[in-house]
Amino acid sequence: QLQLHQWGAGLLKPSETLSLTCAVSGASFSAYYWSWIRQPPGKGLEWIGEVSQSAVTTYNPSLKSRVTISVDTSKSQISLKLTSVTAADTALYYCARGRIGDYNNYWGQGTLVTVSS
Amino acid sequence: QSVLTQPPSASGTPGQRVPISCSGSTSNIGTKFVNWYQHLPGTAPKLLIYNNIQRPSGVPDRFSGSKSGTSASLAISGLQSEDEADYYCAAWDDSLNGVVFGGGTKLTVL
Repeated sequence: QLQLHQWGAGLLKPSETLSLTCAVSGASFSAYYWSWIRQPPGKGLEWIGEVSQSAVTTYNPSLKSRVTISVDTSKSQISLKLTSVTAADTALYYCARGRIGDYNNYWGQGTLVTVSS
Repeated sequence: QSVLTQPPSASGTPGQRVPISCSGSTSNIGTKFVNWYQHLPGTAPKLLIYNNIQRPSGVPDRFSGSKSGTSASLAISGLQSEDEADYYCAAWDDSLNGVVFGGGTKLTVL
């Protein structure tokens, strides 16, 4: 059974770097795309980006200058880094197997990240 | 505001059929597949409909999707109390070169 275990710092100050890791178990890691999505409190979903089986990344243009998604195949982990955070980056961050709209798209439980001075 | 437009709320009584609309443009819905997600309180969003009309394994056939031109619709028939959730449409957008979501529709079962 697929499990996505996320962790990272939950409280950041403005200008710091958000860093989250998502560990995958119960699935063939290298066979899938992996995605990150976020949801600010009380707001809708926002796609952050995705990484392909060959580690090719595609990012939300509005975040592209600040975001990096990477994979560590040896550890079956996906990482998200977002630099120069502001209060607007406060959100529940989800990692997910597959691209948005893939028939086997499956989201983890999410990690809340708060940016506050 | 969101690239894809959804009504902020919808409601129905048990057993009813409720439609939820999603409006976009030629750069997204008009030329790309539409997907729908269900977000129950306190849980992770779940894929409900992909490729406009397809249901992943395990999704009841009470949920159906359709698309016409630059609009799409999710229909929930035989409404049940456990269907009370937020519903989001999503599609790739060629102009933005990324995935766009609708603002979400909060469904209340009266």
